[in-house]
Amino acid sequence: TQLLEQSPQFLSIQEGENLTVYCNSSSVFSSLQWYRQEPGEGPVLLVTVVTGGEVKKLKRLTFQFGDARKDSSLHITAAQPGDTGLYLCAGAGKLTFGQGTILTVHP
Amino acid sequence: NAGVMQNPRHLVRRRGQEARLRCSPMKGHSHVYWYRQLPEEGLKFMVYLQKENIIDESGMPKERFSAEFPKEGPSILRIQQVVRGDSAAYFCASSPFQTEGRLSNQPQHFGDGTRLSIL
Repeated sequence: TQLLEQSPQFLSIQEGENLTVYCNSSSVFSSLQWYRQEPGEGPVLLVTVVTGGEVKKLKRLTFQFGDARKDSSLHITAAQPGDTGLYLCAGAGKLTFGQGTILTVHP
Repeated sequence: NAGVMQNPRHLVRRRGQEARLRCSPMKGHSHVYWYRQLPEEGLKFMVYLQKENIIDESGMPKERFSAEFPKEGPSILRIQQVVRGDSAAYFCASSPFQTEGRLSNQPQHFGDGTRLSIL
């Protein structure tokens, strides 16, 4: 069974701060996907990383896939209250999900 | 709205009743996945289906749970004789295709889920 560990599980910060969420596994994944989920809604895909060492940027969000394709990180610059939500990483295929990081950004 | 449609959004059942959750994939998508989510947790894979075929049901309990994706109509997740522990949000996702024989990088598009509450 491929497991994904996300950290931290909870993150509460002030508007304007930077943060990083980590997603780690002992298994190699052909790709990793990051999702954001708001209460009462389904997860929405943010990005897919495929190549080891790959870095993708989505406005203030920077996603990195580890060289060995076992880990990934999500960095948010100058967080805003609208970034509040549950961030999930998932491994390819039938999607092995991490347990998620609940981010709260206070105005 | 051409996205993944799930209904009902909320379902309340008493212990021992049956629950039927429906999922219509995005147009053009022939692969459907069902996941279960407990509050403030990630999603747990249950079952992966193509039209008229169950491809992988390794995450689905052997008893009381079943899933189908008929040639016509939505995919159905059926839970018989529900118990309190079945209370959760059930999400469906769809993708256009999977490459046979290996894990695919195809992104999955999720519906907004069905919240099942067991009294």
